Amino acid sequence: LAKTTQPISMDSYEGQEVNITCSHNNIATNDYITWYQQFPSQGPRFIIQGYKTKVTNEVASLFIPADRKSSTLSLPRVSLSDTAVYYCLVGDIGSGNTGKLIFGQGTTLQVKP
Amino acid sequence: EAGVVQSPRYKIIEKKQPVAFWCNPISGHNTLYWYLQNLGQGPELLIRYENEEAVDDSQLPKDRFSAERLKGVDSTLKIQPAELGDSAVYLCASSPTGRGGEQFFGPGTRLTVL
Repeated sequence: LAKTTQPISMDSYEGQEVNITCSHNNIATNDYITWYQQFPSQGPRFIIQGYKTKVTNEVASLFIPADRKSSTLSLPRVSLSDTAVYYCLVGDIGSGNTGKLIFGQGTTLQVKP
Repeated sequence: EAGVVQSPRYKIIEKKQPVAFWCNPISGHNTLYWYLQNLGQGPELLIRYENEEAVDDSQLPKDRFSAERLKGVDSTLKIQPAELGDSAVYLCASSPTGRGGEQFFGPGTRLTVL
């Protein structure tokens, strides 16, 4: 299973775009990249998932370069409520395998007013 | 749609006592997971069920931990006897079979062992 490395913490200000990069040098061919968000006293919540290039949904974008050895979660115009821990996970989510996903330490994002 | 339900939300016990956690997954979700989360760390998978079958329990400390999902719906995780190091948050998650990656988590049970 591919190991991921991401910054322990990041600070930002309201209204800014935040980019959190995750390194996964040993990513396998069948692995997808998934990001979760976790608030205190809550379980993690799925944000976005991708395999290559760019994926965008209503809350975030995920950029994956051609070599797939890293990925960047982009949060546009963050607000105070985006203060949370963000986890990058890499794993095979193919048919019949609903997720041997390994959570790392995550990145604690602190959004300041 | 109701989310993943866990109970109790908090539990305080003395060491060597037994404890059980209950999880009701989202209706229709065949895959159920139990995770352990220590303070400041990411969740660690304990066991994964596909319907009533435990398909991955390699990380479950089987000397004191047990789990069951008898009818392929709700599940119980038990610790007997509890140790001080078991103090953590126990999270349950579920997902539809075949839809990897997106797991739906419950709020967790915070266990304190004294």
